[in-house]
Amino acid sequence: AQTVTQSQPEMSVQEAETVTLSCTYDTSESDYYLFWYKQPPSRQMILVIRQEAYKQQNATENRFSVNFQKAAKSFSLKISDSQLGDAAMYFCAYRIYTGTASKLTFGTGTRLQVTL
Amino acid sequence: GAVVSQHPSRVICKSGTSVKIECRSLDFQATTMFWYRQFPKQSLMLMATSNEGSKATYEQGVEKDKFLINHASLTLSTLTVTSAHPEDSSFYICSASTGVRTEAFFGQGTRLTVV
Repeated sequence: AQTVTQSQPEMSVQEAETVTLSCTYDTSESDYYLFWYKQPPSRQMILVIRQEAYKQQNATENRFSVNFQKAAKSFSLKISDSQLGDAAMYFCAYRIYTGTASKLTFGTGTRLQVTL
Repeated sequence: GAVVSQHPSRVICKSGTSVKIECRSLDFQATTMFWYRQFPKQSLMLMATSNEGSKATYEQGVEKDKFLINHASLTLSTLTVTSAHPEDSSFYICSASTGVRTEAFFGQGTRLTVV
């Protein structure tokens, strides 16, 4: 079975501090992309960052960066200088490719609270 | 960024009736669309994947006769919940991508309530 696991149901961080959200995945495929999506209270899914599995270099997007460990099948998200607007549900996801088909599968999510 | 519009945002229907949810990619051609169901405080559960012009691929446990998905054009996919029952009440989200190797963009979601 192909799964995405987020072991932290809830996390809390103080404003301006750094927090890391964990994600592990399991797939037998070699060709896939990894994503972190954010879902604020509006429930609109917002792409935070993406990582191509074939790239060794960790992706960064302003205050957001990932630690991609392919052998360990780990894909954590680091948020630096946390802001109140970062409070949301964060979902790790992967998209695998089998021929012409693809599926986008999500983890269970981590609720991030940002405190003053 | 790419915009996906989902309509309606909220719908209430009577038990036994059918309801259609539309998902449109406004500024790009979506070769692949995904339909998800999200229960309160839970993750997104993939219901089906549709490619333009092809039949949708449903996930195990999803009733294809109950959740009809049509992806007739590169900018529009629809989900029809047939003979809706209260247990079908949920938040439904669509997403669209331009290809198999790109990120997916999401609609705003539809809250369906069956009374």
